[in-house]
Amino acid sequence: GENVEQHPSTLSVQEGDSAVIKCTYSDSASNYFPWYKQELGKRPQLIIDIRSNVGEKKDQRIAVTLNKTAKHFSLHITETQPEDSAVYFCAASDSGGYQKVTFGTGTKLQVIP
Amino acid sequence: NAGVTQTPKFQVLKTGQSMTLQCAQDMNHEYMSWYRQDPGMGLRLIHYSVGAGITDQGEVPNGYNVSRSTTEDFPLRLLSAAPSQTSVYFCASSPPGRQYNEQFFGPGTRLTVL
Repeated sequence: GENVEQHPSTLSVQEGDSAVIKCTYSDSASNYFPWYKQELGKRPQLIIDIRSNVGEKKDQRIAVTLNKTAKHFSLHITETQPEDSAVYFCAASDSGGYQKVTFGTGTKLQVIP
Repeated sequence: NAGVTQTPKFQVLKTGQSMTLQCAQDMNHEYMSWYRQDPGMGLRLIHYSVGAGITDQGEVPNGYNVSRSTTEDFPLRLLSAAPSQTSVYFCASSPPGRQYNEQFFGPGTRLTVL
């Protein structure tokens, strides 16, 4: 089955700096890579996703890049703000009948004002 | 729409007790899943369903049962609770089809087994 590794497990940045979270996956059949943000005590919510036919996707201050050859993808947050503090999960899934999603272990991001 | 709802929000059980975590969605989603979230381990899939009457095991199914008699409801049963099942449980749903992969999560149930 799919295995998703995520690094780092914790990340502290100064407000205004950039943050980068990296993930690798094992199954070459995976073709959909979502990122979820989970604030303390809340449910995970999708913030951005990328499909395998795209190398990069951007939405305001967040961007995701995908390297299918190397089987890794990354989340980039620019101009970080205190409200970006949360746990971020990467995930991978294929487009099979169920689209089973495998999550990484999460990165706790702390933005220091 | 209420989205995905879960009850209860919190539960404390004694070892050996059984209980059912409830999950319901009003978005007419075919796919529903149960995850458990433990510190440092991310979200791990317990069971999932691709439609009414169809369920399958995920990564960590032992100790849990599910059924899907309607599109809306997907309850998770703990048969004989163990301390190792102390966790936060999330139910999620998603529409079928290759272009719809976003998972919509419920608010979670925090379970403690003593």
